[in-house]
Amino acid sequence: EVQLVQSGAEVKQVGESLKISCTDPGYRFTNYWIAWVRQMPGKGLEWMGSIYLGDPNIKDSPSSQGQVTISADKSITTAYLQWSSLKASDTAMYYCARHASQRSQYNWLDPWGQGTLVTVSS
Amino acid sequence: EIVLTQSPGTLSLSPGDRATLSCRASQSVANNYVAWYQQNPGQAPRLLIYGASSRATGVPDRFSGSGSGTEFTLTISRLEPEDFAVYYCQQYCCSPRTFGQGTKVEIK
Repeated sequence: EVQLVQSGAEVKQVGESLKISCTDPGYRFTNYWIAWVRQMPGKGLEWMGSIYLGDPNIKDSPSSQGQVTISADKSITTAYLQWSSLKASDTAMYYCARHASQRSQYNWLDPWGQGTLVTVSS
Repeated sequence: EIVLTQSPGTLSLSPGDRATLSCRASQSVANNYVAWYQQNPGQAPRLLIYGASSRATGVPDRFSGSGSGTEFTLTISRLEPEDFAVYYCQQYCCSPRTFGQGTKVEIK
């Protein structure tokens, strides 16, 4: 079964740092792009950016997204989403998802990880 | 940025009814690169349709997608109990990738 496995739920304080992960346990996604998608409580889906596991120096993200860092480790086919200083407004469910075709980010998202719930309290 | 507007926000229907969900783009979506996802409460989104009209593997044929340019539609021919969920359209032709705000299909 094609799947992505995300790290567990996190509860943090405002100002703390955090790094969550998204892993392909089968090591099959080396030449795929991985996207991160945010879903704030009761809200819709927002694309945060994508990274190419084949070369983690290659990324794409919206210009409005500057508070989080997307990275990856090709050797363990794992993508990361990292904050240096969390805000209460970062409270959300974060999903990773694979872009469907190899070497291209211009395709749909499938499969999706199970999601990582990040709760930031003050 | 391509803005996707879904309508209606909520659709109240009964099992067995036909559901028609709309997704309108602020500019033409190249190659009809539009996908539809279903999200049930507490679950991750699930791909239903890609390329505006191609069903993903394992998706029942009561789901169909159509449209081109700026107007796209997801149709569920006969609603089953498990179809009451939130549906999102997404364009993947252009960066930033954008999603519609979602349509909730609820039991009437």
